[in-house]
Amino acid sequence: SQTIHQWPATLVQPVGSPLSLECTVEGTSNPNLYWYRQAAGRGLQLLFYSVGIGQISSEVPQNLSASRPQDRQFILSSKKLLLSDSGFYLCAWSVFDFTSGDEQFFGPGTRLTVL
Amino acid sequence: SQQGEEDPQALSIQEGENATMNCSYKTSINNLQWYRQNSGRGLVHLILIRSNEREKHSGRLRVTLDTSKKSSSLLITASRAADTASYFCATDEGGLTGGGNKLTFGTGTQLKVEL
Repeated sequence: SQTIHQWPATLVQPVGSPLSLECTVEGTSNPNLYWYRQAAGRGLQLLFYSVGIGQISSEVPQNLSASRPQDRQFILSSKKLLLSDSGFYLCAWSVFDFTSGDEQFFGPGTRLTVL
Repeated sequence: SQQGEEDPQALSIQEGENATMNCSYKTSINNLQWYRQNSGRGLVHLILIRSNEREKHSGRLRVTLDTSKKSSSLLITASRAADTASYFCATDEGGLTGGGNKLTFGTGTQLKVEL
């Protein structure tokens, strides 16, 4: 069966510090991978998605970047965190079906607080 | 911009009652999905209804889709305290560049089921 892991679960970082969040998927090959951010009391905002190793697309301009060094590894990074980067970060995977679409499977999330 | 808008924002019912949540969206979709999120956790996929379907059932869940009105509803029958969570609709508008399916999430309905 497929599983998705995210770490760390919680993180408190000072403004201006770097960030690295990791997401790994097990039990599937060549998944589509996604990074979302959820602000308090809000829905999810898609930040990045990847359809293959080294292929990253950004949905919104921001202070963050993403990388996919391996098929089932997705990393979210920042060189200098801003207060506005605080939020709940969720990684998800899916296997794309051109004809019908597929559900996305989410990791447990990372709660980031920037002070 | 926000695609799905859930209504109501919050709902409190007694155990055993039915809970109905509504979602409206603005553009054409390939499918619409409902997710559940327990507090501070990742999202769990509940059900997917395709644009050519009008109703779908899964256990105690019933989803309807009216593409002419651009709306969907999620009905949870015989609710339980364990159903307490936030529920999100997500619209799949089609393929992202290079593959993958973009989901646009609403702001969610917070359901509380009391004993």
